Amino acid sequence: TQLLEQSPQFLSIQEGENLTVYCNSSSVFSSLQWYRQEPGEGPVLLVTVVTGGEVKKLKRLTFQFGDARKDSSLHITAAQPGDTGLYLCAGYAGDYKLSFGAGTTVTVRA
Amino acid sequence: NAGVMQNPRHLVRRRGQEARLRCSPMKGHSHVYWYRQLPEEGLKFMVYLQKENIIDESGMPKERFSAEFPKEGPSILRIQQVVRGDSAAYFCASSPVALDSYEQYFGPGTRLTVT
Repeated sequence: TQLLEQSPQFLSIQEGENLTVYCNSSSVFSSLQWYRQEPGEGPVLLVTVVTGGEVKKLKRLTFQFGDARKDSSLHITAAQPGDTGLYLCAGYAGDYKLSFGAGTTVTVRA
Repeated sequence: NAGVMQNPRHLVRRRGQEARLRCSPMKGHSHVYWYRQLPEEGLKFMVYLQKENIIDESGMPKERFSAEFPKEGPSILRIQQVVRGDSAAYFCASSPVALDSYEQYFGPGTRLTVT
């Protein structure tokens, strides 16, 4: 059983469209991180959210942390083929061990 | 670029052989974590080490798996008598401290294939 549930599992969209990836849990997290992983590579950290209700923007990417610190979302505006990859959310539930979601595979078609 | 380094990137072993995976943390980082990623699954925590100490190995199988982080040199994840089920990508991450507000940075991984 995954501590963090990600949805959808797969997402395929046309270039220029928007997309949202969700990360949900019944547990409270002290912080939550989003990573992007490309085939054959390790996860690359995109952002860390710490405060409930926090919103962070990274160019066309917007990250939200739920008020109760149990969920998060990643929104990409005007997606580009370079956004293609596996998006992983991960969080600390009280210790140093990161718990990961299973990931959302995003494909942006040109 | 002083990122987390792992080698080898790909490792093929026959059943029953030993696999040794190496990880050099980022400069200034003294905390190392190993994770395993199976196809269609997220990364799963295996073990957390500081220099010369295993702090938490609760995610590592009791049999055949061991890890170390010596005073000098890289961290090593060792799998003895490998079986097909050990085939996976193994990732190492490092952080400067082990608090839940600190980010872990990942290496490129070692893809182990057991034939």
